[in-house]
Amino acid sequence: EAGVTQFPSHSVIEKGQTVTLRCDPISGHDNLYWYRRVMGKEIKFLLHFVKESKQDESGMPNNRFLAERTGGTYSTLKVQPAELEDSGVYFCASSQGLADTQYFGPGTRLTVL
Amino acid sequence: AQSVTQLGSHVSVSEGALVLLRCNYSSSVPPYLFWYVQYPNQGLQLLLKYTSAATLVKGINGFEAEFKKSETSFHLTKPSAHMSDAAEYFCAVSDRKSGTYKYIFGTGTRLKVLA
Repeated sequence: EAGVTQFPSHSVIEKGQTVTLRCDPISGHDNLYWYRRVMGKEIKFLLHFVKESKQDESGMPNNRFLAERTGGTYSTLKVQPAELEDSGVYFCASSQGLADTQYFGPGTRLTVL
Repeated sequence: AQSVTQLGSHVSVSEGALVLLRCNYSSSVPPYLFWYVQYPNQGLQLLLKYTSAATLVKGINGFEAEFKKSETSFHLTKPSAHMSDAAEYFCAVSDRKSGTYKYIFGTGTRLKVLA
């Protein structure tokens, strides 16, 4: 069974540009989470989807971040326009049931110059 | 609010020595607790989890952790360190109270194993 996959693995962009990160959860997992780790800090929750619905987006930093989950399958996280402080590693995780263990993808390392 | 504290951002042990990584949590409801490991250039891998069953939890690669409610701790141990254990380790608590079960992580502990 394929694990959680994320694309791209690395992205380097200029301040003010737009970047879209993609996450493909484990097949059949209704719950999809995005997290972010800024250098030297803890991994922080961004938002949670159940199927295609946003259940909790309390961790989204501001309105420059837009997440979608079309058809309840893969998810995208768009940052527009990117700022220097958006640099970090963005992790995606999925779980089958709400209380089930979350399985993490390899992360996308975003560098904003 | 729930929180996790990992004492020691960097820990060094000799190969063959005991590994002890500390994690303390704060939770207003019975917690679900996790240890994840991140090897260089890889994603987060689940080591073990506690979900209110046995207080001593065994995980992969010889690691185990003991849930101690009185001490609000969930320390990770391994009797004998291997070079391959060098990685960053994260303790997390699941936010059951909010209903999302999102994870709240500690700041991570980077383990170095000395030959």
